[in-house]
Amino acid sequence: EAQVTQNPRYLITVTGKKLTVTCSQNMNHEYMSWYRQDPGLGLRQIYYSMNVEVTDKGDVPEGYKVSRKEKRNFPLILESPSPNQTSLYFCASSFTGSSGYTFGSGTRLTVV
Amino acid sequence: KNEVEQSPQNLTAQEGEFITINCSYSVGISALHWLQQHPGGGIVSLFMLSSGKKKHGRLIATINIQEKHSSLHITASHPRDSAVYICAVSYYGGSQGNLIFGKGTKLSVKP
Repeated sequence: EAQVTQNPRYLITVTGKKLTVTCSQNMNHEYMSWYRQDPGLGLRQIYYSMNVEVTDKGDVPEGYKVSRKEKRNFPLILESPSPNQTSLYFCASSFTGSSGYTFGSGTRLTVV
Repeated sequence: KNEVEQSPQNLTAQEGEFITINCSYSVGISALHWLQQHPGGGIVSLFMLSSGKKKHGRLIATINIQEKHSSLHITASHPRDSAVYICAVSYYGGSQGNLIFGKGTKLSVKP
């Protein structure tokens, strides 16, 4: 089944403790991206990648890192999480940035 | 910077009604996307448009490039259509992969 797999679904962590949210797709898509969703603010793009080793900042990249060493994986790294990074996170992929998207199921992150 | 505005913010309809959700944007775009998010949180891509009109089942999406406006129509609405509908654009002058989102329209269809 074609899908984008995010893990974990839920995560509670403490301020400053490094964490990684994984994202993997099995559709050989070139494009992958990360978003956060907050009440009243909607979805906002964090980072995106047009291909292996090619990444670029979205609208809210501060406090996040990404890497794209292989086509299928695009992990989101929070080196030193803070409470303002508490949010619902989505990963997505598509053949190109302008074709249809497939989204992961989301990761609900709470930083205390 | 491109802004994406959706209207209405909230919409309540009776089952069977014809529904229209609007999306307007401020600068030239390379593509416009309509997404659906159900109460459980999952997001599904409904349409990607760069011109004209697309139809899938009871859903129709149109775009008017000159007026910088898109509409999503739902015919014969059903309670299972209850969800948040989100418009997103990728715009000229930005990277093709850089998406800007509207804040969404929350649709509730009553039986």
